[in-house]
Amino acid sequence: SSELTQDPAVSVALGQTVRITCQGDSLRSFYASWYQQKPGQAPILVIYGQNNRPSGIPDRFSGSSSGNTASLTITGAQAEDEADYYCNSRDIPGNHAWVFGGGTKLTVL
Amino acid sequence: QVQLVESGGGVVQPGRSLRLSCAASGISFSGYAMHWVRQAPGKGLEWVAVISYDGSSKFYADSVKGRFTLSRDNSKNTLLLQMNSLRADDTAFYYCAREISELLPGGMRLDRFDSWGQGTLVTVSS
Repeated sequence: SSELTQDPAVSVALGQTVRITCQGDSLRSFYASWYQQKPGQAPILVIYGQNNRPSGIPDRFSGSSSGNTASLTITGAQAEDEADYYCNSRDIPGNHAWVFGGGTKLTVL
Repeated sequence: QVQLVESGGGVVQPGRSLRLSCAASGISFSGYAMHWVRQAPGKGLEWVAVISYDGSSKFYADSVKGRFTLSRDNSKNTLLLQMNSLRADDTAFYYCAREISELLPGGMRLDRFDSWGQGTLVTVSS
């Protein structure tokens, strides 16, 4: 199976903008989805596709993709955005598996 | 809102078996593929397996292939994961998740796991 690569940790000053990236061969064929996970909680969906937000997710969360890279951007990061973020997609065509990135721990300073 | 509730976790010895359940409420889940995702303590998310909406197709991660079996009972809105020959590295929180997948004009798919359970902890230890 293929892999999705994320930076292990990223930090952002309160109110600033941060981009979390995800790279992998599968992203040339499939859109990524993004999940936020806070300690002791289940993941929640924050962005899917090119730039789709589920209801209830603040509009400071946005997504984009190009080539083999998907990005999650938080514009005006808040203290409550401090969490682990995971990207996910189907595996490369012909493989029916799915794959998660290793996760990015976001610290809001 | 769809609510997913996992159960069946616990402590089990290496080599033994365990069966996890995921019960859906709030809306019928029979029209959706369902997944299991696990997370070892302090580690990242790992995709485990998927079953199609009608149970006719099942796919597994290489790490569990041949040991885990996925099934579903749409009449009871229940997803099952039979885990055999458990190993220490199967220790994890196990989450069930509902997949929504849409085919877009142009052929791309719009996929996501829109609902997750709270997880059930499986500990494999002697």
